[in-house]
Amino acid sequence: GQNIDQPTEMTATEGAIVQINCTYQTSGFNGLFWYQQHAGEAPTFLSYNVLDGLEEKGRFSSFLSRSKGYSYLLLKELQMKDSASYLCAVRDLVTGGGNKLTFGTGTQLKVEL
Amino acid sequence: DAGVIQSPRHEVTEMGQEVTLRCKPISGHNSLFWYRQTMMRGLELLIYFNNNVPIDDSGMPEDRFSAKMPNASFSTLKIQPSEPRDSAVYFCASSLSGYGDLIGELFFGEGSRLTVL
Repeated sequence: GQNIDQPTEMTATEGAIVQINCTYQTSGFNGLFWYQQHAGEAPTFLSYNVLDGLEEKGRFSSFLSRSKGYSYLLLKELQMKDSASYLCAVRDLVTGGGNKLTFGTGTQLKVEL
Repeated sequence: DAGVIQSPRHEVTEMGQEVTLRCKPISGHNSLFWYRQTMMRGLELLIYFNNNVPIDDSGMPEDRFSAKMPNASFSTLKIQPSEPRDSAVYFCASSLSGYGDLIGELFFGEGSRLTVL
């Protein structure tokens, strides 16, 4: 099984930087994903890490440490439209093929003026 | 690309009625997932298929829930009989997996919001 933990809520100021942490425990790690979900909408893919280190994609970066079971999502130059829920998800190696992706409960980010 | 298509978008039904949710995955994708999302429990994996074969249904709550994937372009999730605690948003997602350096990210449909009275 898996155990994925992330903070329930965070608040940050427009233009600032915010870091959303995620810790996980899994038996067969095969990658970590971050998704963004605006209220009333479907989750959309943000980033992916399978090796240790930092992956940068514009204003968003994601970091992974497999030995520590730890990841974070870094959002720079925050904008009001970044107010959303950010979901950490872990993929397991699965007999039979395919991706088994298990999601954390999400971090609700509120960006204020 | 049309994306993952789900129907209905909204369903309101009475306890005891049968509910069928439908999903058309992205053409060419080989994995399909059914998730349920509630405020209390977040996004829970119910079942997923790889090449139309159910791989893991350990998340299906109980025998009232069943899912099928008769072909690569269609899947259903059925609840019979429905109960008020089944009220949630049900998401279908698809991905392409098992090929080289593909990330295999999930693409979600818009969801089916179910309310059981």
